[in-house]
Amino acid sequence: GQQLNQSPQSMFIQEGEDVSMNCTSSSIFNTWLWYKQEPGEGPVLLIALYKAGELTSNGRLTAQFGITRKDSFLNISASIPSDVGIYFCAGQTNAGGTSYGKLTFGQGTILTVHP
Amino acid sequence: NAGVTQTPKFQVLKTGQSMTLQCAQDMNHNSMYWYRQDPGMGLRLIYYSASEGTTDKGEVPNGYNVSRLNKREFSLRLESAAPSQTSVYFCASSGRWNTGELFFGEGSRLTVL
Repeated sequence: GQQLNQSPQSMFIQEGEDVSMNCTSSSIFNTWLWYKQEPGEGPVLLIALYKAGELTSNGRLTAQFGITRKDSFLNISASIPSDVGIYFCAGQTNAGGTSYGKLTFGQGTILTVHP
Repeated sequence: NAGVTQTPKFQVLKTGQSMTLQCAQDMNHNSMYWYRQDPGMGLRLIYYSASEGTTDKGEVPNGYNVSRLNKREFSLRLESAAPSQTSVYFCASSGRWNTGELFFGEGSRLTVL
């Protein structure tokens, strides 16, 4: 089945540093998404990417949909303590019509920010 | 601004007991989903409902049943709980089919002894 390889598994950084994480797959996806999960909460959608090569920003977050459709990366600039959490990539396939395409999640990157 | 509400938030069961996790959304979304989250396994889809009146199996449906009670509510039932079902369960809904854009609830932590 489809698998997403997300790296790194964890990051320990100082406040103010930039962060980069990525996701790769052996399969192509129609949509790439990035979610953030804080302790005791459900994942929250940060960014969705719909076209190969697309580069999208949301505040200090920037994500790109790889040109091969098999990868995506997420950058966080000038990290702050509230960036702490688990970041998940996800890839969505489209089955066509009303059929459900599969949404596959990566294993997550645990981000710790030291003040 | 409730979004997706799950109950209960915590539950401890003994092996063989049954229980139902409740989920309701107030965003008028058509599709709803149940996921489980286990350490190192990411989020795995148990069942989904594309619209009111339909339900379908996801990746890991064994041991579970679901009911789409109406457009707002989607429940997950464990008929005979097993220790392997110890997990954190998330309900989600989406207003855009097949986009991966999901709104998640806060989760229900279930322990089966």
